[in-house]
Amino acid sequence: KAGVTQTPRYLIKTRGQQVTLSCSPISGHRSVSWYQQTPGQGLQFLFEYFSETQRNKGNFPGRFSGRQFSNSRSEMNVSTLELGDSALYLCASSSTPGQGAGMNTEAFFGQGTRLTVV
Amino acid sequence: KNQVEQSPQSLIILEGKNCTLQCNYTVSPFSNLRWYKQDTGRGPVSLTIMTFSENTKSNGRYTATLDADTKQSSLHITASQLSDSASYICVVSGRGSTLGRLYFGRGTQLTVWP
Repeated sequence: KAGVTQTPRYLIKTRGQQVTLSCSPISGHRSVSWYQQTPGQGLQFLFEYFSETQRNKGNFPGRFSGRQFSNSRSEMNVSTLELGDSALYLCASSSTPGQGAGMNTEAFFGQGTRLTVV
Repeated sequence: KNQVEQSPQSLIILEGKNCTLQCNYTVSPFSNLRWYKQDTGRGPVSLTIMTFSENTKSNGRYTATLDADTKQSSLHITASQLSDSASYICVVSGRGSTLGRLYFGRGTQLTVWP
């Protein structure tokens, strides 16, 4: 069974540009969550999608947006990039909504996309 | 405020030694607690997941304990190996009003020296 796939693995962008990151969950999983990880803040929740609907959203500005397609693949978009957006962006997939929280099921992480804004 | 605090922030041990990492949380109501291992530049990998009714769970040389009354968990690593060098992250999930949210600790950076 293939794991969670994130593309691209590495990305360099300049300030003001926009970027789109992709996440393909484990086959059969309908929940995809996105996280930003920086050395100073650790892992921070961005949003979760389940069956093409956003279920939860963290405390990030509107420049961060996402969507989920009918095949459960998800994309995250960041517009008007800032230097502080440089981070490792991780997605996690789960078979149940809420990242498996209420059902005690696993959330499986991808390898992440390393975004550097210069 | 729902929080997860881990200690120590970093730890260095010699290969073959044991160590214990701590996690204290205030997330309420609580659903489950997970420990993840994250190698540098890679995504976290699940080690254990425990519900509030479980006290201990093992995964090879990793043993997690949970005290839901004091809201504390520990991860014990036995006979450490060089490959154990990584960040260990404690993650707590809520239920009820906090359902669907995962609360992350900032991790303990473990370095195992030969």
